[in-house]
Amino acid sequence: EAGVAQSPRYKIIEKRQSVAFWCNPISGHATLYWYQQILGQGPKLLIQFQNNGVVDDSQLPKDRFSAERLKGVDSTLKIQPAKLEDSAVYLCASSRHPGTSGGVRNEQFFGPGTRLTVL
Amino acid sequence: AQSVSQHNHHVILSEAASLELGCNYSYGGTVNLFWYVQYPGQHLQLLLKYFSGDPLVKGIKGFEAEFIKSKFSFNLRKPSVQWSDTAEYFCAFDTGRRALTFGSGTRLQVQP
Repeated sequence: EAGVAQSPRYKIIEKRQSVAFWCNPISGHATLYWYQQILGQGPKLLIQFQNNGVVDDSQLPKDRFSAERLKGVDSTLKIQPAKLEDSAVYLCASSRHPGTSGGVRNEQFFGPGTRLTVL
Repeated sequence: AQSVSQHNHHVILSEAASLELGCNYSYGGTVNLFWYVQYPGQHLQLLLKYFSGDPLVKGIKGFEAEFIKSKFSFNLRKPSVQWSDTAEYFCAFDTGRRALTFGSGTRLQVQP
């Protein structure tokens, strides 16, 4: 099966500019996650969707970050305006079921990520 | 707060050496545990996982991990590493229907 697709792969912007990232999950996966991975750290959840509804956005800086998952398939993550500390890799992941409610076969699959540099 | 500690940030080994990477989690309830690997230039991939049952789990490429509940640990082991094991390794857990909580990662460099 095709993997999780993300675009763009790389983006360089100036601070205070806006940027958007796109994710297309694996077909049939109801749960979609956006993670932020800052250099030298592990990925940290920004937002979790179940179909087109938000399950957890407690770690999303809502004053500048927004995300949507229209029609429960593709998702877009936006930053407006960007700050220097937003420089990171933004990972999208998907799974058939949320967390491990689908049992041992419910694995999260990760996309290649978008590397954002804010100057 | 939920967290994962990976004590080794950078490990350098020679081929055929044995590997053990430490992982401790902080959470008071039942968890599911994972090791992910990221080879240079590639996606995060699942190496192995523990849900329940035998605390010694085997994954791909000869890796195994042991869950010790009393120590809140899930250490990764491999008896003999290869140059191709050079990668970054992440320990993670989840608590059911939520996303993963990751450690900060361990960069493994295997010298030929």
